[in-house]
Amino acid sequence: QKEVEQNSGPLSVPEGAIASLNCTYSDRGSQSFFWYRQYSGKSPELIMSIYSNGDKEDGRFTAQLNKASQYVSLLIRDSQPSDSATYLCAVIDSGGYQKVTFGIGTKLQVIP
Amino acid sequence: KAGVTQTPRYLIKTRGQQVTLSCSPISGHRSVSWYQQTPGQGLQFLFEYFSETQRNKGNFPGRFSGRQFSNSRSEMNVSTLELGDSALYLCASSGLAGTAYEQYFGPGTRLTVT
Repeated sequence: QKEVEQNSGPLSVPEGAIASLNCTYSDRGSQSFFWYRQYSGKSPELIMSIYSNGDKEDGRFTAQLNKASQYVSLLIRDSQPSDSATYLCAVIDSGGYQKVTFGIGTKLQVIP
Repeated sequence: KAGVTQTPRYLIKTRGQQVTLSCSPISGHRSVSWYQQTPGQGLQFLFEYFSETQRNKGNFPGRFSGRQFSNSRSEMNVSTLELGDSALYLCASSGLAGTAYEQYFGPGTRLTVT
């Protein structure tokens, strides 16, 4: 059973701080990793994809990937109350095609 | 460009009944995946279709089935509904060149089984 582990939180950070969200995965052969944001009562929204080791930046978001450690993280700089949501880590299984395993999600609360 | 659409948005069914949910992917996307989301289990993968063929299947009983049509629209069916089938059912499409694995979700169908 391939697993994606996340701390369910809640993770509380003050407005303007950096929020750090972490994810580990069990499938050593996985090559594709994603972060989704899900507001309460809404469907997940893709915010970042990362395929290579290192950092990938998009605005206030930075995704970090370390395949050797089987670890993916998402940093949100200058956190805003509107960032309060559940963040889902998703990993495509190495078995091929489009089988995706999601973590349980980390609930982020940004305190004004 | 229109996003992923799902119908109906809400459903209330009785135990033992069956239900069919529909998903229309983003234009040009050929892969459609279905997920079940519950508070306790999170997002659970049901199955994935590509060009009318089921390529992947999750660990759900045979009561859960699906299909995809030639226009990439997809349906999933749940027969003999159980109380535990109450959940948000999400479909996601993907398939544009260069971003083949990035999935875009529809708004979901909220199924309540009584």
